[in-house]
Amino acid sequence: DTEVTQTPKHLVMGMTNKKSLKCEQHMGHRAMYWYKQKAKKPPELMFVYSYEKLSINESVPSRFSPECPNSSLLNLHLHALQPEDSALYLCASSRQGASPKLFFGSGTQLSVL
Amino acid sequence: TQLLEQSPQFLSIQEGENLTVYCNSSSVFSSLQWYRQEPGEGPVLLVTVVTGGEVKKLKRLTFQFGDARKDSSLHITAAQPGDTGLYLCAGARSSGDKLTFGTGTRLAVRP
Repeated sequence: DTEVTQTPKHLVMGMTNKKSLKCEQHMGHRAMYWYKQKAKKPPELMFVYSYEKLSINESVPSRFSPECPNSSLLNLHLHALQPEDSALYLCASSRQGASPKLFFGSGTQLSVL
Repeated sequence: TQLLEQSPQFLSIQEGENLTVYCNSSSVFSSLQWYRQEPGEGPVLLVTVVTGGEVKKLKRLTFQFGDARKDSSLHITAAQPGDTGLYLCAGARSSGDKLTFGTGTRLAVRP
């Protein structure tokens, strides 16, 4: 199993809503990542978890709250988002070590109204 | 500041043509990767290069890492419509460092 599964595939939410994005992998990877990708732009790193602990937060606003309940799951909790937060949110996982190979999910296309 | 600049930004070619995509930086990278992303999907890793001057081939794709490890190129021979997508280079400045993605090159191959 070399898949990273993200749900939902599409999400539309209002600025007062609370929603969560979910990501799951069963490759035994101990590093998991959240990226944000705007249309026609490269992915931008948001968070990195290493062995279920947050190791990198790229100065992401607190309206995005990551959570890693166990080594296979990664969540991104969303609250009070802005329209400019509309983007494709990608989850990835990798082994630890030099030059890690990132396995990406298909992403959640988020629209904030 | 974008550490990895790709050129061209967009390329539209006819099936069967050859093309080269460049990934340039003023910084030295310990490793560099190339990904391809199709619409509605996440990026998929194509190759990792770690040694200056290294050349790797993947069927019709040839990847090269610059001698000084500041740049890389991707050459596609006899492009096919299935090669259409967003090509991204990504580099790590030291072992275990986070990956920085390049600005991306959007390729369209017309049948």
